[in-house]
Amino acid sequence: QSVLTQPPSVSGAPGQRVTISCTGSSSDVGAGYDVHWYQHLPGRAPKLLIFGNTNRPSGVPDRFSGSKSGTSASLAITGLQAEDEADYFCQSYDSSLSVVFGGGTKVTVL
Amino acid sequence: QVQLQESGPGLVKPSETLSLTCTVSGYSINSVNSRYFWGWIRQPPGKGLEWIGSFSHSRNTYYNPSLKSRDTISVDTSKNQFFLRLNSVTAADTAVYYCAAEIRYGSGSYFVSWGHGTQVTVSS
Repeated sequence: QSVLTQPPSVSGAPGQRVTISCTGSSSDVGAGYDVHWYQHLPGRAPKLLIFGNTNRPSGVPDRFSGSKSGTSASLAITGLQAEDEADYFCQSYDSSLSVVFGGGTKVTVL
Repeated sequence: QVQLQESGPGLVKPSETLSLTCTVSGYSINSVNSRYFWGWIRQPPGKGLEWIGSFSHSRNTYYNPSLKSRDTISVDTSKNQFFLRLNSVTAADTAVYYCAAEIRYGSGSYFVSWGHGTQVTVSS
């Protein structure tokens, strides 16, 4: 059982907007630790998508955006494209200096 | 850009020790002013990612308490490699294992670069 809770799957048609939630607790996300997001395609290395709640690394399209409030965070994908079909994981930190992950969300482009 | 590559046996017998190597290129693990920690993460089949542990060039090491001290991370700076040893493995340790470069800062940490992962199966 993952520390951070994500929906198992979300789907949307090309061009639509989808959001993925990531819910933690008062000892991790709610304690003020940042949330980060990764995109994972099967057989490939996970890719950092969002760091520090809202920041995109160089090369990540601005269709991807992150937000955080309280004990939760969200990843939004606007203008959904076929190439966005992948697994998405959120990640944070807890007060015992441990890294914690969400269970992952599979995004399907209809 | 830092690149990482995992290697190790794909099959380990129950109760034995799992040993994996991560070879780093494009950056020296031993850099005095290194901004990176170096970590191991795994993903059991059908499950989410699980952090195993991380260490810094100054040898500060952090482990996931849930592994109950079965794991050890070490380093060979002359080869720019770091290692994972996991003792007394069971079927529950079957997973894809990743190594990654991590940045730690005041508000947490994140992984900027990952290897492609290596499948490890625990079976007799």
